[in-house]
Amino acid sequence: QQPVQSPQAVILREGEDAVINCSSSKALYSVHWYRQKHGEAPVFLMILLKGGEQKGHEKISASFNEKKQQSSLYLTASQLSYSGTYFCGTEWFRDDMRFGAGTRLTVKP
Amino acid sequence: GAGVSQSPSNKVTEKGKDVELRCDPISGHTALYWYRQSLGQGLEFLIYFQGNSAPDKSGLPSDRFSAERTGGSVSTLTIQRTQQEDSAVYLCAGRAGLRTQYFGPGTRLTVL
Repeated sequence: QQPVQSPQAVILREGEDAVINCSSSKALYSVHWYRQKHGEAPVFLMILLKGGEQKGHEKISASFNEKKQQSSLYLTASQLSYSGTYFCGTEWFRDDMRFGAGTRLTVKP
Repeated sequence: GAGVSQSPSNKVTEKGKDVELRCDPISGHTALYWYRQSLGQGLEFLIYFQGNSAPDKSGLPSDRFSAERTGGSVSTLTIQRTQQEDSAVYLCAGRAGLRTQYFGPGTRLTVL
């Protein structure tokens, strides 16, 4: 079973914030976030482990709510370079990785 | 090598032909995954290898699809009797332990 991502797409102006959600019907072991730009392979952003803390770097951070089996990716003061499709990957046990359908983020000047 | 490599980068074939797609992961990455990405779609899990364990084939869409991994390194995904709906980008990813997956650049398969 793959995780469910929302929204499917979001359009922002530079400087605006966005939240992308990822939810699972099963208890999660870890959540991974990737960004894929058009025509390129997905690139790792961060991993959140069960029992771990919120992760982040610069203006992109994420949280992991184990009780709700959800993770959220927070993009603050978005930049043009943030445009792309964001995927969450979830594991219910180690190495059982499945990806959501993706959220297409477009940042406009 | 420095990263995950896949070959060919592009493959155009005729319906009904067999194709082989190759993935060469980063040395030491014991886990290897294959995904399929249709145009504008998400990452569809196909198959997963971990060391010497039996592969998880639960994502293979039909018995026309098969994959092997030789010597715990290079992997080959084979699609027999290709159909037009097989057209997609096929991505492989390697992983070492509890860490991120490193994706290859993908093979774009077009079935005419």
